[in-house]
Amino acid sequence: AQRVTQPEKLLSVFKGAPVELKCNYSYSGSPELFWYVQYSRQRLQLLLRHISRESIKGFTADLNKGETSFHLKKPFAQEEDSAMYYCALRASTGGGNKLTFGTGTQLKVEL
Amino acid sequence: KAGVTQTPRYLIKTRGQQVTLSCSPISGHRSVSWYQQTPGQGLQFLFEYFSETQRNKGNFPGRFSGRQFSNSRSEMNVSTLELGDSALYLCASSPYLPDSLGGYTFGSGTRLTVV
Repeated sequence: AQRVTQPEKLLSVFKGAPVELKCNYSYSGSPELFWYVQYSRQRLQLLLRHISRESIKGFTADLNKGETSFHLKKPFAQEEDSAMYYCALRASTGGGNKLTFGTGTQLKVEL
Repeated sequence: KAGVTQTPRYLIKTRGQQVTLSCSPISGHRSVSWYQQTPGQGLQFLFEYFSETQRNKGNFPGRFSGRQFSNSRSEMNVSTLELGDSALYLCASSPYLPDSLGGYTFGSGTRLTVV
């Protein structure tokens, strides 16, 4: 069975400080990992996917298979980054897919 | 283009009743998934449909069911509602199955309250 762990429920940083949101996973197959973000009163939206190795809104995430981690990082936090962040793993089973989400980390960027 | 549309946005039902929620995916998307979001359990996978076939199912009781129509629209049904079914139900669509390059696009959800 797959599992995604986000150890921090709340992460509070000051504006301009570096941000790292932790995500660890457990999965026997080849993982496909995503970060989703939910801003206040908005729908859940895709932020990053590991396979595209892109940087969105200054955020990056690198898949580390040795440490089974997919931490989300940003060098300088902005006030508008305050949101709920979910790490998710897609597992393909029996011809279908499903996303397994972590419990989420609330990021609060303080001025 | 229009996003994922879920109706209704809010529902209040009584224990023992049944409810049907609707999801219209992004035009051209053929895969629809459903998730339950609660403060205690977080986001949990319910089921996934592709080309009118259920491809995957989460660990929910048989009271939770769904279907997908030929136009890719999907409905989920919960029968004999319990207080614990109160949650935000999210629908997500993606272009095709399997899709190893893209992610899922989520709707705004249907907030179900069981009293």
